[in-house]
Amino acid sequence: GAVVSQHPSWVICKSGTSVKIECRSLDFQATTMFWYRQFPKQSLMLMATSNEGSKATYEQGVEKDKFLINHASLTLSTLTVTSAHPEDSSFYICSARDRLRQGAKSNEAFFGQGTRLTVV
Amino acid sequence: AQRVTQPEKLLSVFKGAPVELKCNYSYSGSPELFWYVQYSRQRLQLLLRHISRESIKGFTADLNKGETSFHLKKPFAQEEDSAMYYCALSGTRRGATNKLIFGTGTLLAVQP
Repeated sequence: GAVVSQHPSWVICKSGTSVKIECRSLDFQATTMFWYRQFPKQSLMLMATSNEGSKATYEQGVEKDKFLINHASLTLSTLTVTSAHPEDSSFYICSARDRLRQGAKSNEAFFGQGTRLTVV
Repeated sequence: AQRVTQPEKLLSVFKGAPVELKCNYSYSGSPELFWYVQYSRQRLQLLLRHISRESIKGFTADLNKGETSFHLKKPFAQEEDSAMYYCALSGTRRGATNKLIFGTGTLLAVQP
């Protein structure tokens, strides 16, 4: 159980275009989803936290107009990289908390397999 | 501020040797601490969490609130333990969305 699926696993796009990455919780409901960015051989940097039905909370230094996050349902969150540039190339990872486990039981999160974005 | 520190980028040990991966944190409250592991070309997965007080794959970690540490230990390392290990912290404030943040990670390399 507790499977998180990201799509696509990798994407190459042209500079100036927009790319959407999907994150789905397959067998649980996720009230909270996190989006991270991971540079090669570095840690996961939290970009934003999204709650179902409300606006995402972005970390300092992350442009909300650049990285649009939508969490419209309990099983789906999307990250859209708008007007992508080569410096946006990175590994993007989402994670989700199980609504039933959250809070009193545990605040652990389950991770997607990541999306490798390359902007050329 | 919420912060997780892993001082070692790389820890190389021989098979059968004890392992200790260090993790220190700062959080104004009672955090929930985790160790996540990432094997080569696999997704991040939970190894253990402090509230469970369990041993997974021979690994244990004790939360020391006085030293604000959550070091990961294993008495006898195995080659298959070679992976990237991340210490992570979540807030536990009721009614709030508690962020999950990560340390910089430690690459554990177990030599035969």
